[in-house]
Order: sequence, then structure tokens, then C-alpha cells
Amino acid sequence: QVQLVESGGGVVQPGRSLRLSCAASGFTFSNYDMHWVRQAPGKGLEWVAVISYDGSNKYYADSVKGRFTISRDNSKNTLYLQMNSLRADDTAVYYCAKELLDPWGQGTLVTVSS
Amino acid sequence: SYELTQPSSVSVSPGQTARITCSGDELAKKYARWFQQKPGQAPVLVIYNDSERPSGIPERFSGSSSGTTVTLTISGAQVEDEADYYCYSAADNNLGVFGTGTKVTVL
Repeated sequence: QVQLVESGGGVVQPGRSLRLSCAASGFTFSNYDMHWVRQAPGKGLEWVAVISYDGSNKYYADSVKGRFTISRDNSKNTLYLQMNSLRADDTAVYYCAKELLDPWGQGTLVTVSS
Repeated sequence: SYELTQPSSVSVSPGQTARITCSGDELAKKYARWFQQKPGQAPVLVIYNDSERPSGIPERFSGSSSGTTVTLTISGAQVEDEADYYCYSAADNNLGVFGTGTKVTVL
């Protein structure tokens, strides 16, 4: 069955960087676009970024454009989110999701705090 | 920027019908999806392409579309349907957007 497992979250100071990973299994990873979505504590869902199946196209929410980079390694069945210049309002659970936003991983918590 | 607007809350008695709306200009030309999220869990897709139901989703969940509004209907709501529900769509610029979210209470 399809499984997505995020990792890399933690506590980081404002202005620092963090890289999230999403390990995929149970499907042909290289055939599907992949998304990152986040959810701040007690808030709604916010779409963050999407990458095409081959990595050639990437799109970002205005709130992260220029600071976050989505990438993938199809040889490792892994999706990444490089997050730079982190701010307090980036604090959230970050989820990866397969193409139709189905299914989702369990999420990894990123806390930006001094 | 593109926005999708939902009511903040909907209440329904067990066995009755709950309807959740989602409004946005681009819904007239873009498909919507609906997600259910229970506390402490990742969201689950319950409707895609406005009205299609993924396998494993109960038949009481249905979707419809009219103009710039899409609607998620829960017919014969069950206590286990109590959750937050979000609509989602993608704009012409390929950027995704979620609705503001609706808390459904079944009591």
C-alpha cells in the first residue's frame, strides 16, 4: 500500500534552515507529482508547493516563494523541502502528499522559535 | 490571491443531512476536492473532481457543483463524521489553495 513518511522536523531558530524529507513506498514514485502542505497549530491547511513527476516544474505558495525549495530524488523515492530564512509563522506540521493529495503522510512538526 | 470560502461550522443531528459549501471564482472552471480531518490525524480525501468518491469512502458522502460553488453533502450523518472539512482547488497558475475549513459537529 502507498506509504509516505516525513522526517526532519524539529525546533529551529528564526533565520535558520531546515530540510524535510518524505520517503515514499508502495507506488512508482517517479510517475507522480508530489505536494507539501502545512498546518499551523490550531489553524487550517495551507498548500505550500508542488513538484512535477520528473522535477522539471515547481510551484510555490506566495508565503514561501524565494525561501523554500521543493525537490525530489526519484532514484531514492524521496521528496524534499529545503526551508531557508525560517520565521515564526512557518511553525506548523508539514505533510507530504501524492499527486491528487491522496494519501498524506503523518506529518512532521517544525517549530521556529528562539 | 485566489480564495475559497467555507462556513466556519455546521451542526447536524445524527441521521440528518449536512451540507458544506465552498465558494471561489475559479471553481466555475476548476475541479474541487474535499478532505476530512479528524483531531490529530492527517487529512483524508473524500471527494475529487467535484463529485467523485474514492474507494473506501462511504456512500453517504457526495459532492456537487454549481457555478462558483461546490457542496459536500453528508447524507445520514454519523457521529464518526464529526471532523474538520476542507475544500481544495488549483488556480490557473498551478498554485493550490485550501478553503477556510468547516467544523462539522454531529449531536
